[in-house]
Amino acid sequence: KAGVTQTPRYLIKTRGQQVTLSCSPISGHRSVSWYQQTPGQGLQFLFEYFSETQRNKGNFPGRFSGRQFSNSRSEMNVSTLELGDSALYLCASSEDGTPVNTQYFGPGTRLTVL
Amino acid sequence: QKEVEQDPGPLSVPEGAIVSLNCTYSNSAFQYFMWYRQYSRKGPELLMYTYSSGNKEDGRFTAQVDKSSKYISLFIRDSQPSDSATYLCAMAKTGGFKTIFGAGTRLFVKA
Repeated sequence: KAGVTQTPRYLIKTRGQQVTLSCSPISGHRSVSWYQQTPGQGLQFLFEYFSETQRNKGNFPGRFSGRQFSNSRSEMNVSTLELGDSALYLCASSEDGTPVNTQYFGPGTRLTVL
Repeated sequence: QKEVEQDPGPLSVPEGAIVSLNCTYSNSAFQYFMWYRQYSRKGPELLMYTYSSGNKEDGRFTAQVDKSSKYISLFIRDSQPSDSATYLCAMAKTGGFKTIFGAGTRLFVKA
């Protein structure tokens, strides 16, 4: 089976712009979670989707949003980018999003905000 | 206070050493405890998974959970240079759809 894929792998944007990141889960996986990873804060949970519904959300401002499509692919959007949004954005897929089932991570999208 | 605390290191050890990595947590509702390994420029991958308290062994790796102290550990025996990576602890509640990660400990194993 192909692993979790994320596009693009690298992105450079300027403050105030918006960005959309994409995640394709492992075939058959219906849950997709998004995380932000920075050296100072580590891996922080953004949100989780299952069957096109957001089931859980982390403590991020409303500028961070996401969605999931009927084929389980997911997108994450950040509007009005700030310098502090520079990070590695990781998505992870699992069969149903419960802790019993393993999360498989993609390689991440490295976002740099100038 | 963060729900999960983990010393970021770095931790540098000679090849063959026993490595001890630890995390503490504050939420007693956590029941699932995981250790992930992340190599440079890659996403994390699950290494060990434990439900509730106790020990679990897998080859050179041993995971321990002490719920009374809210403390979890990962031991690596006979460490190898290929073990050099960032190790992240992670926790989740029963019935939850959210995993909370520690900051990760950077480990270097010198040949």
